[in-house]
Amino acid sequence: DTAVSQTPKYLVTQMGNDKSIKCEQNLGHDTMYWYKQDSKKFLKIMFSYNNKELIINETVPNRFSPKSPDKAHLNLHINSLELGDSAVYFCASSQGGLAGGGNEQFFGPGTRLTVL
Amino acid sequence: AQRVTQPEKLLSVFKGAPVELKCNYSYSGSPELFWYVQYSRQRLQLLLRHISRESIKGFTADLNKGETSFHLKKPFAQEEDSAMYYCALKTSYDKVIFGPGTSLSVIP
Repeated sequence: DTAVSQTPKYLVTQMGNDKSIKCEQNLGHDTMYWYKQDSKKFLKIMFSYNNKELIINETVPNRFSPKSPDKAHLNLHINSLELGDSAVYFCASSQGGLAGGGNEQFFGPGTRLTVL
Repeated sequence: AQRVTQPEKLLSVFKGAPVELKCNYSYSGSPELFWYVQYSRQRLQLLLRHISRESIKGFTADLNKGETSFHLKKPFAQEEDSAMYYCALKTSYDKVIFGPGTSLSVIP
């Protein structure tokens, strides 16, 4: 029944490794997002995909690459992990982007990434 | 510049007291504003949006374009209101900008 799910919930890894976080939504939404929440709880958008097409690409290092195999999935791949990448990463989805009507975003439970 | 500010990082109130979480925004277009809440160990979820003009869990928020504010209010705080609250601004480019968040603690 989970609307937006992410795996894994926790990820601990060494600097320099490559890792992926998966996100799936079963709401039939056509837009998905990735957010980063830092240690001060500040939440910042990283990417937005609409129907598998990249819509928003904020200023994030190109070590971060989103991949959307279909509109129900938006995975986040991170290369050459750095200490500063440690954060909680949230996936979210909404219907029709957020245009007109102020559609709500539904968030996943988050993935806590710790880079050692 | 598009920006959302929440001046209080931490806010503590006693149970039954009124609570106001401040939010100000900076945006040249027509703003659409939201409040999201994150309870302990739960995911972020929408609390309310200004276009709905609704009251959710006793909370209300009015958009004041003159003061560029969207403060969240509740007349009588409850312990279960303790959470992290984010004010968010949706831009015309479908981008959502979140404020830094205010951690509300309701003291029994």
